[in-house]
Amino acid sequence: KAGVTQTPRYLIKTRGQQVTLSCSPISGHRSVSWYQQTPGQGLQFLFEYFSETQRNKGNFPGRFSGRQFSNSRSEMNVSTLELGDSALYLCASSLGEPGNTIYFGEGSWLTVV
Amino acid sequence: DAKTTQPNSMESNEEEPVHLPCNHSTISGTDYIHWYRQLPSQGPEYVIHGLTSNVNNRMASLAIAEDRKSSTLILHRATLRDAAVYYCILRDVSDSKIIFGKGTRLHILP
Repeated sequence: KAGVTQTPRYLIKTRGQQVTLSCSPISGHRSVSWYQQTPGQGLQFLFEYFSETQRNKGNFPGRFSGRQFSNSRSEMNVSTLELGDSALYLCASSLGEPGNTIYFGEGSWLTVV
Repeated sequence: DAKTTQPNSMESNEEEPVHLPCNHSTISGTDYIHWYRQLPSQGPEYVIHGLTSNVNNRMASLAIAEDRKSSTLILHRATLRDAAVYYCILRDVSDSKIIFGKGTRLHILP
């Protein structure tokens, strides 16, 4: 079956703009989470959605937001982009029950200029 | 969050076994030990996980110390495709997120 799908794979934005990234989880998975990966900070958890509700949140400013739709697809939005937001943004999905394995997509590469 | 300690990098020869160590001295009774790997330009890939007993799957084996304060990921016969960053992670049974450390960068020599 298809894995976690993220779009777009690559994008370039200008400082001050906003960006929306999309994620389609593995079929049947109800939990979607987002991670940011940078060379300096490594992989950091942003937030998790389950059944359209944010269930878990990392330590990121309010400029980072997300949502989940009834079909479990998710989007994350970053407003007022800063140069430091340049990163690989990874989406992951799982069935959503405790201990379920988490599967990652290939990520969206965001460059802010 | 419980933390893990891994070597920054390791080297191994192709077609030889690789043992990747991980220390987790503050592990709690409800923490599972998970391993993920990240190949260049890809998202992390699940490898294996366990609680107390050693585990095997088609990708690797996981050997867990009796006191659970350390574990070892074993790749039985490394190939060039196994060159990646390997992350050892502790994840509470009730937790739906992953806290990544810096991992071990594994280099495979042909």
